[in-house]
Parts: sequence; C-alpha cells; structure tokens
Amino acid sequence: GAGVSQSPRYKVTKRGQDVALRCDPISGHVSLYWYRQALGQGPEFLTYFNYEAQQDKSGLPNDRFSAERPEGSISTLTIQRTEQRDSAMYRCASSLAGGAGSIEQYFGPGTRLTVT
Amino acid sequence: QKEVEQNSGPLSVPEGAIASLNCTYSDRVSQSFFWYRQYSGKSPELIMSIYSNGDKEDGRFTAQLNKASQYVSLLIRDSQPSDSATYLCAVVLTGGGNKLTFGTGTQLKVEL
Repeated sequence: GAGVSQSPRYKVTKRGQDVALRCDPISGHVSLYWYRQALGQGPEFLTYFNYEAQQDKSGLPNDRFSAERPEGSISTLTIQRTEQRDSAMYRCASSLAGGAGSIEQYFGPGTRLTVT
Repeated sequence: QKEVEQNSGPLSVPEGAIASLNCTYSDRVSQSFFWYRQYSGKSPELIMSIYSNGDKEDGRFTAQLNKASQYVSLLIRDSQPSDSATYLCAVVLTGGGNKLTFGTGTQLKVEL
C-alpha cells in the first residue's frame, strides 16, 4: 500500500517568507509525528497528533512553528518568517495507533527546506 | 549524558561477518525500542522493534534488549554490502507519549 507522502520534496524560500509543509500519512494511521533531521544526526521530535488532537508540541523550537491536522488525516507544518537556521530536512511519520504494539512509526521521504 | 547514545562509527565489517551495533539509553523505565536503517539521502526505514528483555530475531537481524543494563543492540548476520547504511536507535522515553528519541546513528560499512 501507499506509504507516508510529503510535499513538496524540496522547498527553497527567502528569509522572512512563510512556508507550509504537508504530510499525508498511511491510510488508517491514527498518529502522525513531525521530526526535523540535521545532517549526521538522528531525527529530532517536533510535535505529534492523535487523530486531529495535537498531543505534544514540546519540540517546536519557537512560536514561528505551528502544526495542524484538522480532519485527522493530512497535516500541515507551518513555519512563519523563516530564518536560515530553519534549513533542514523535515520528516513526517505515522503509526497505526497509540497503544502498545502499534506504535511503530513509518517515515515519509521528507521535505528538504532551504532558507536563503 | 545523552538520552540515547550510539557510537558514530564507521563500523567496518567484512562481507559475511556479523555486525554488532550498540545503543545505550538513560531512562530506566523506557519500554519501547526501535532500530531504523537509513541509507544516504533516504528516509529512516524501520527494521526492528523490541519491547521485552531478551532476543528478537527477524531474518538476518536480531535485536537484543537488556533493560537492567539499559542497552539495546542489533546484530546483522551474514552482512552484505547492501547493509551499508546508518543505523539509528530510537527509544520511547517515559512521559514522552509515543515520540521517539533517536541516537545520532552508527554508520556501518560492509566491505567486499
């Protein structure tokens, strides 16, 4: 079946512009996670949702970052007034549910964001 | 102390040998552990999950968990050049919901 998809795959934007990154999870997956990965590092947690409810946003770096999942499926991560330090690979993952045995997370291809 | 630690490598093994990758974690109460494989320029791919002490085998891969010593390892038997990748250890820490905390990854090189 189809895996997690993300769009755009690459985004180049100028400093100060807003960007929206989209994630479409595996069909039927309840939980959706956003991570950010720097080169040579493991992914770093940003935020996650169960259905449409944002359960944890403790990893969002500052208030320029926000995320939503209004219908419990597709999610959008928005970065306002982008800065060069926001340049990174943004990864989305989904899992079937939040209970034990079904929390395995599957990652999408990522969006490479470059802020110039 | 980092919450999840891995040697960055590279770990070089000859083709056909056993590759042993190790990970330690700081949270004594963690219950869920995962190994991901990440090829250069690609996204992490889940290869093993383990929740109970002991060994879990899946094909050429064996995950080993020792909660008392707070380490989890991944063994790859009959290593192939196609196994050359970065292996990421991920842990669900207590109180963290289901978010994953990753190590920095170990780069594995399988040499002909």
